[in-house]
Amino acid sequence: DTAVSQTPKYLVTQMGNDKSIKCEQNLGHDTMYWYKQDSKKFLKIMFSYNNKELIINETVPNRFSPKSPDKAHLNLHINSLELGDSAVYFCASSQAPDRAEAFFGQGTRLTVV
Amino acid sequence: DAKTTQPNSMESNEEEPVHLPCNHSTISGTDYIHWYRQLPSQGPEYVIHGLTSNVNNRMASLAIAEDRKSSTLILHRATLRDAAVYYCILGYYGGSQGNLIFGKGTKLSVKP
Repeated sequence: DTAVSQTPKYLVTQMGNDKSIKCEQNLGHDTMYWYKQDSKKFLKIMFSYNNKELIINETVPNRFSPKSPDKAHLNLHINSLELGDSAVYFCASSQAPDRAEAFFGQGTRLTVV
Repeated sequence: DAKTTQPNSMESNEEEPVHLPCNHSTISGTDYIHWYRQLPSQGPEYVIHGLTSNVNNRMASLAIAEDRKSSTLILHRATLRDAAVYYCILGYYGGSQGNLIFGKGTKLSVKP
């Protein structure tokens, strides 16, 4: 069983569309994250949820909206996609916000054309 | 912003030890030092973390300078599978908003 799984793995879509990326963890962790890795390979945190509550919201356009229906899921919805949104998006989880070991998913490569 | 400085790239031979340096001169007393690595086309993978004392686990060792302004990740015997980008990260603890801020990392190449 994959600890942190994201779907889809690849997503190609046109500008202006709305899309979602799903993330699920089966580790029983309380905290989940979304990271974005751009073309220069920089990994930047976007959001962090603890027990379904938002605890970190970095400077991210409000076209990006995370949703956590339960502790095991943190989905990322993106409205009005732009070319600059093309990146690899990683979901991660940790036992708690103050735990060192985070587990990352395999990533979703989003390409906006 | 990342608060660590690492060499852009390093090379190693298979089965030899590798020492990956990291400078973090502005580290605060509550910052832990974490190391993650990212294999090609994979998500980052936790390697090790520490606060003041040197740490060992099955993957690597972490040597922390006495003044904590630098640290070194030690891979005792590099394998081809260790070729990855290694990130040294300072993580805040003690509150409800701990998070990991990744820098550029060091790209490690391992030659057979």
